[in-house]
Amino acid sequence: EVQLVQSAAEVKKPGESLKISCKASGYSFTSHWIAWVRQMPGKGLEWMGIIYPGDSDSRYSPSFQGQVTISADKSTNTAYLQWTMLKTSDTATYYCARQEEAERSYWFDPWGQGTLVTVSS
Amino acid sequence: SYVLTQPPSVSLAPGETARITCGGENIGSNSVHWYQQKPGQAPVLVIYYDSERPSGIPERVSGSNSGNTATLTISGVEAGDEADYYCQVWDSTSDQSVFGTGTKVSVL
Repeated sequence: EVQLVQSAAEVKKPGESLKISCKASGYSFTSHWIAWVRQMPGKGLEWMGIIYPGDSDSRYSPSFQGQVTISADKSTNTAYLQWTMLKTSDTATYYCARQEEAERSYWFDPWGQGTLVTVSS
Repeated sequence: SYVLTQPPSVSLAPGETARITCGGENIGSNSVHWYQQKPGQAPVLVIYYDSERPSGIPERVSGSNSGNTATLTISGVEAGDEADYYCQVWDSTSDQSVFGTGTKVSVL
C-alpha cells in the first residue's frame, strides 16, 4: 500500500526555524515527484512546490520561492519542508502528496495526513 | 498565473445530482483533476484526467471538461458526500499546479 506519513503537529514562535517531514512507503520513492501543499485555516489548497527525490530537482511556486526549502533523503524515503524564520502567517496545515503523471498532466495521489504548524508568540 | 474559479457552495437534498463547476480560460485544453476533502481530513483524489475514477470511487461520481468549464458530477448525493471539492490542473505555461477556489457541498 502506498503511504505518506507526516510528522506531528508543531507549535513554534515567530523567528524560529522548523523542518517537517513526509515518510513514503509502498513504492519507489526515487521515481515519483513529491509535492507540498498549504492550507491556511478555513481556506483552500495552495501548491507550494515539488521535488524529485531521484536527483533532488525541485520547483517552487513564486509565492513560496525563497520562503521555504523542499528537500529529500533517498536513504530514508523522506521528503522535508523547512523554514529558517517562521512568521505568524505560516500558521497552516501542510500536506505532502505523491505526484502522478500522464501525457504532461499531473495530479496528486495519495496525500499525507497533514501537519498542523502553529506560529504564535 | 492561471485562475480556476469554483462556486463557493452547493446545497441539495439527498438523492439529487450535484454539479460542481470549475471555470478557467480554455480549461478544455488541460486535463482536470478533482479532490474531495472532508472536515479535518486530507484531500482524496476522486477524478483524474478529466473523467477517470481511481479505484474505490463509486460510478455515481463522474467528470467532464470542455471549453472554459470542467464539471464534477455526483449523482444521488448522500450525507457522506458532504465535503469541500477542489479542481486542479497543471499549468504548463508557468510549470506549476493550480487549485480551484473550492466548493462546499452541503446535503440538506
